[in-house]
Amino acid sequence: DAKTTQPPSMDCAEGRAANLPCNHSTISGNEYVYWYRQIHSQGPQYIIHGLKNNETNEMASLIITEDRKSSTLILPHATLRDTAVYYCIVGPSGNTPLVFGKGTRLSVIA
Amino acid sequence: NAGVTQTPKFQVLKTGQSMTLQCAQDMNHEYMSWYRQDPGMGLRLIHYSVGAGITDQGEVPNGYNVSRSTTEDFPLRLLSAAPSQTSVYFCASSYSLGRYNEQFFGPGTRLTVL
Repeated sequence: DAKTTQPPSMDCAEGRAANLPCNHSTISGNEYVYWYRQIHSQGPQYIIHGLKNNETNEMASLIITEDRKSSTLILPHATLRDTAVYYCIVGPSGNTPLVFGKGTRLSVIA
Repeated sequence: NAGVTQTPKFQVLKTGQSMTLQCAQDMNHEYMSWYRQDPGMGLRLIHYSVGAGITDQGEVPNGYNVSRSTTEDFPLRLLSAAPSQTSVYFCASSYSLGRYNEQFFGPGTRLTVL
C-alpha cells in the first residue's frame, strides 16, 4: 500500500502557484519524499525529491515540514501544460521499489 | 541517449496467446522494473530487477515472467493472456535502488486482450 495520502483532484488558475499537499505520517528517517507527474498517458516523469530540507529546481519547489509528516509541491507559475496527475511517493527503503498511489489530478484552467 | 525504450507501442492479443513486451535502456542503469496501469488507477509494480541475473516479484506478478540476462534489457512475458491483463505497461530504470531514486520511464505499451 502507498504510504502517502493526496487529494484526488485540484484546480489551479493559469499563472498562479499550484500547491499540492501530501501526507506521509509514517515516513521513516532514511526515506525520501519523491514527486513524479504523469501527463495524459505518457510515462511518469521525475520532478523533485527531498529528505529534510526544502528543495528547488527548475520545475518546482518541495517544502517538507519539520516533523517530515507532510510536504507540499509548489509549481510557482502553473501553465496549461502542467495539467497532469502528480504522485507523492515515500521511499525507497532498502531494496523496495517505489510504490505509486493514485496521485492528485491537477487541472490548470485558463 | 535513447533513454528507456519499449516495443511494441500497441498490441492486441486473443485470450490464451503469449507474447513478450520488450524494454531496453542505454543508461547503464542497474535497476529496472515493470508497472501496469489500469484506467483511472495508479501504477502497480509487476516485477523488478536490481541487476543482471536478479529479479523479484512486485505487487501483481501473477501471469507474468521476467528475466534479466543483460544490464540493458528487461523483457516481460505474458504466458497466457487474459482480458484482465488489458492495461498500459510501463518499464522504468534507475541507476540504483540507493538513497536517490530517480526513475526514468518508457513511453508505455498499450495492450488489449480480447
